[in-house]
Amino acid sequence: EAGVTQFPSHSVIEKGQTVTLRCDPISGHDNLYWYRRVMGKEIKFLLHFVKESKQDESGMPNNRFLAERTGGTYSTLKVQPAELEDSGVYFCASSHNRGLVPYEQYFGPGTRLTVT
Amino acid sequence: EDQVTQSPEALRLQEGESSSLNCSYTVSGLRGLFWYRQDPGKGPEFLFTLYSAGEEKEKERLKATLTKKESFLHITAPKPEDSATYLCAVLKTSGSARQLTFGSGTQLTVLP
Repeated sequence: EAGVTQFPSHSVIEKGQTVTLRCDPISGHDNLYWYRRVMGKEIKFLLHFVKESKQDESGMPNNRFLAERTGGTYSTLKVQPAELEDSGVYFCASSHNRGLVPYEQYFGPGTRLTVT
Repeated sequence: EDQVTQSPEALRLQEGESSSLNCSYTVSGLRGLFWYRQDPGKGPEFLFTLYSAGEEKEKERLKATLTKKESFLHITAPKPEDSATYLCAVLKTSGSARQLTFGSGTQLTVLP
C-alpha cells in the first residue's frame, strides 16, 4: 500500500511569490490533515478535511493560506503571497474514518518551503 | 490551553542501555495519545496509539504506557538504529474534527 505522498519535496521562492503544495493521501482515507513545523518549533496543526469538506481550519495562520480538496482525493495548499515567516516544513497526513475510534494519522515526507 | 511537554530534549545512550522518554500532557478530554518516530528529512512514522489510562503497547524494543497525566516510551536494550527523534502527540476532537497537538520531541542517540 502506497503511503502519503507530497510534492514538491523542496521549494525555494522569493517573498511575494505564490507556491502550491500537493498531498496525495493513502487510498481510501477520507481524513486529510495539513501540519507545519517552522524552525525550532514543534509541529503545528493547520487544518482537517473529511472528504472534500473542511472540518477544522482553526490552525491556518491567515488568509494568505488556501487549502482545497476537490473531489475528496488529493489536496493542495496554496500560499499567496509568501512571506519570510512561512518558511518551514509542511506535512500532510491521512487517516481512515471507520467506526467511532479516532484512528492513527499517517504522515507524508513533507515539503520543505524556503522563502527568501 | 492544551499542552504537551516531552523530556528530556535529548538523550544519549550506549547500545544496550535501557531508558525511558516522558510525555506529560494537559488536555481536556483526551481522545488518544500517539507516539511517532521521526528520522532526519522524513515525516513522522507512526508507532503507537494509547486511548486510556493503564493501557500498554509494545513493538520490538519499544513499550508505551499511559497514565492520566503522562505517557512513557520505554526503550529496552536499544540499538544504534533506534536513533531518531521521538514525538508524542495528543488527539483533540470536536464533533468530526480532529487535530493532533505535538510535543517538541526527544532526540535519541544510541552509540555503538
